[in-house]
Amino acid sequence: DTGVSQNPRHKITKRGQNVTFRCDPISEHNRLYWYRQTLGQGPEFLTYFQNEAQLEKSRLLSDRFSAERPKGSFSTLEIQRTEQGDSAMYLCASSLVVRGKGDTQYFGPGTRLTVL
Amino acid sequence: ILNVEQSPQSLHVQEGDSTNFTCSFPSSNFYALHWYRWETAKSPEALFVMTLNGDEKKKGRISATLNTKEGYSYLYIKGSQPEDSATYLCAFDFGNEKLTFGTGTRLTIIP
Repeated sequence: DTGVSQNPRHKITKRGQNVTFRCDPISEHNRLYWYRQTLGQGPEFLTYFQNEAQLEKSRLLSDRFSAERPKGSFSTLEIQRTEQGDSAMYLCASSLVVRGKGDTQYFGPGTRLTVL
Repeated sequence: ILNVEQSPQSLHVQEGDSTNFTCSFPSSNFYALHWYRWETAKSPEALFVMTLNGDEKKKGRISATLNTKEGYSYLYIKGSQPEDSATYLCAFDFGNEKLTFGTGTRLTIIP
């Protein structure tokens, strides 16, 4: 399967613990995005990378959140000291951007985080 | 604040019937509108990227239209089948690669 993959698919953790999610984009895609979806809402943008550079972060991304894409391939999203409000579906997407003009973003199946 | 609204929130349709739903968005600074279908436990699937006023796109029994001047897009499903049951999301694209999603229309097809 050459689509976007995410691991784990589900994560249950206790409040205050740290969690890390991984996203493997489509291999030739140079852009990678993270979104979060909470109950009853559409996905909301968190951050995105062009190759290994993190180009933008949403104000939704508090200091407890950090994302990396160290070699311009897979990405990790870490949440430190989780809170119950962090419970959500975390979606990753990738796209191929040529000469600054993007196209379709292809999504992974998401990681569902539950903070108890 | 950018508002992308979808209606209705949920919809039950008899198998074989046709249906449609709406996405409304700001009519200024338009770059593109994306439609996705999201089935439970699967990845959101890209259906259409629409960029020009008056665009009509079709994929099998699903089609979409775009009116950028008045700020709306319609998604149509002809002859609904059980496999069409999903949440349909639209997303507004300013051209800066960040998609702003609506809350979705949850479609259930009744056999």
